[in-house]
Amino acid sequence: DTEVTQTPKHLVMGMTNKKSLKCEQHMGHRAMYWYKQKAKKPPELMFVYSYEKLSINESVPSRFSPECPNSSLLNLHLHALQPEDSALYLCASSQVRALNEQFFGPGTRLTVL
Amino acid sequence: SQQGEEDPQALSIQEGENATMNCSYKTSINNLQWYRQNSGRGLVHLILIRSNEREKHSGRLRVTLDTSKKSSSLLITASRAADTASYFCATEGYYGNNRLAFGKGNQVVVIP
Repeated sequence: DTEVTQTPKHLVMGMTNKKSLKCEQHMGHRAMYWYKQKAKKPPELMFVYSYEKLSINESVPSRFSPECPNSSLLNLHLHALQPEDSALYLCASSQVRALNEQFFGPGTRLTVL
Repeated sequence: SQQGEEDPQALSIQEGENATMNCSYKTSINNLQWYRQNSGRGLVHLILIRSNEREKHSGRLRVTLDTSKKSSSLLITASRAADTASYFCATEGYYGNNRLAFGKGNQVVVIP
């Protein structure tokens, strides 16, 4: 199984809502990532988990809260978002080593009203 | 920081023609990778070239890497309508800390 799944596909939320994005992989990868991508822009790294521990936080606002409950799952908890947070949120996974290719999920299209 | 920065291009070519896109970066790298993204979807890994390699092939793809010029090119030969997508290069830094820096991307449209 070389698939990374993400749910939901689409999410519309208000600025006072709390929601969560979910990501799952069963490739035995021990590195997992969250990226944010705006239209016609490259993905921007948000967080990296390595062996279920947060290893990189690219100065992401605290209204985004990542969680890695086990080696297959990655969540992104959202609270008090702003309209400018509307974007495609991509999850990826890889081996924990250099020369890694990353496997991406299809993304969650988030709209903040 | 953005390490991989390809010349922002929008290519429109006829099916069967070759498509070439370029990428430049600023610091030492461990490897450079190319990804494809179909509209609004996830990225798909195409090819990885290590910093000590100069050229690599995979099917209809040919990647070159010039570390002295800090640049790379991706050639897609005999393009097909299904190759219509955005193409991003991404660099992993010298110490390989799982951080990829993506370039701006190239939009390629292959006209049937």
